Order: sequence, then C-alpha cells, then structure tokens
Amino acid sequence: DTAVSQTPKYLVTQMGNDKSIKCEQNLGHDTMYWYKQDSKKFLKIMFSYNNKELIINETVPNRFSPKSPDKAHLNLHINSLELGDSAVYFCASSQRTGANTGELFFGEGSRLTVL
Amino acid sequence: GEDVEQSLFLSVREGDSSVINCTYTDSSSTYLYWYKQEPGAGLQLLTYIFSNMDMKQDQRLTVLLNKKDKHLSLRIADTQTGDSAIYFCAEIAAAGNKLTFGGGTRVLVKP
Repeated sequence: DTAVSQTPKYLVTQMGNDKSIKCEQNLGHDTMYWYKQDSKKFLKIMFSYNNKELIINETVPNRFSPKSPDKAHLNLHINSLELGDSAVYFCASSQRTGANTGELFFGEGSRLTVL
Repeated sequence: GEDVEQSLFLSVREGDSSVINCTYTDSSSTYLYWYKQEPGAGLQLLTYIFSNMDMKQDQRLTVLLNKKDKHLSLRIADTQTGDSAIYFCAEIAAAGNKLTFGGGTRVLVKP
C-alpha cells in the first residue's frame, strides 16, 4: 500500500533508445510532478499535472513527454536517450486545495543510466 | 527568479545539536519547508513553517525563520545516527504552484 509508487526502480539502456517510467499515487491527490535529481543531488522540477492538465512545463527538451491518463497516474516517456539524461527521476503528488500546497509526497525514485 | 541556497555538508557528533542553514531570495514566499532524503529513497517532508511565524518546534526539530534576512534554519537536538541524510530546504511563493528546492545539505552523524 505504497502511497506513491514508480516503476522501474532501475533502468539501464543505450543511447538513442526510448524508455518510459510509470508513476501511480493512491493518496487521492489532484496534482502530480516529475522531478530530476542529478549526480550532485540537485532537484529540478520538470512537469506538473493537476487533474490531468499540464500546469508546469519547465525548460525540458521535447524528447521528454509526460502523460497523465487520470489524476492517479503520471507517466514519463523519454525519446532518443542521451548520456546527460542519466539521473534519478522522482514522481511526487500533492493536494492543491488549501494554502499549504508545498507538502509533496515522493516516490522512491527511478535511477536511469544511459550508456 | 527564485533561488534557494544551502551549505553542502555538515558533520556532527552523535548527541550534539545540528543546525542546517538556508537562504532564499523570493520575498513572497508563503511557506518554507524542510525535507529529508535518506540514501536510496525519495524525499520526506520533515516540517514546514508559515512565513508569518518566527519559530516552530516539533519534538527534536526547531525551525527558525528570519524573514527580513530571508534566512531559514533547522536545528536537530540530540542528533542520532539515523539523522544522517541529505536535508533540503524549499519554498513556495504566494502565487506559486512550484516548490523550489535548495541544493541540499548532507549531514553526517559520527558516533
């Protein structure tokens, strides 16, 4: 009964391949996020969806395409993988109603290694 | 734009107090947060403070906010080896839907 679950936990692939990471939350939250954490542990937001609608789209290459089939799921598809895409990708969710909207619940992360 | 900065590393002896510092630039920040990341895991919210407060205490954790200097700190009393982790400061602006994180402070607790 994990609150925010991501699959796969580890992904090793060759440059140029296409891969997807899936995320599901069972908290009933209406907002979901993808964050990228680099090797220096710096966390950067990539995308955010609220009730299946894209609300944050940071400067991310268009090789990255998020998809939210419903408010409990947010998947990340990456085309033509590059070495610099190697990182840990975190999914998170939150409830946007109320003033304290920075209380995020994170998944365990998906470590992507591009060779 | 928003900027949140933290020192990279803190070493502390078990039983001592740890103080982790953070500075931010966005004067419209409404809430400020401390998250903890243990090795191989996602981030977990530890505590947060509303911008009209100066201090918040929660068991071993004390958060101090100096809004004038845009300085936030987290004090952990009686630090334990289980407190070894990376601690992230974060802020959200009044009109914001985006949480901005600092670079994280790696805390190492020595026995």
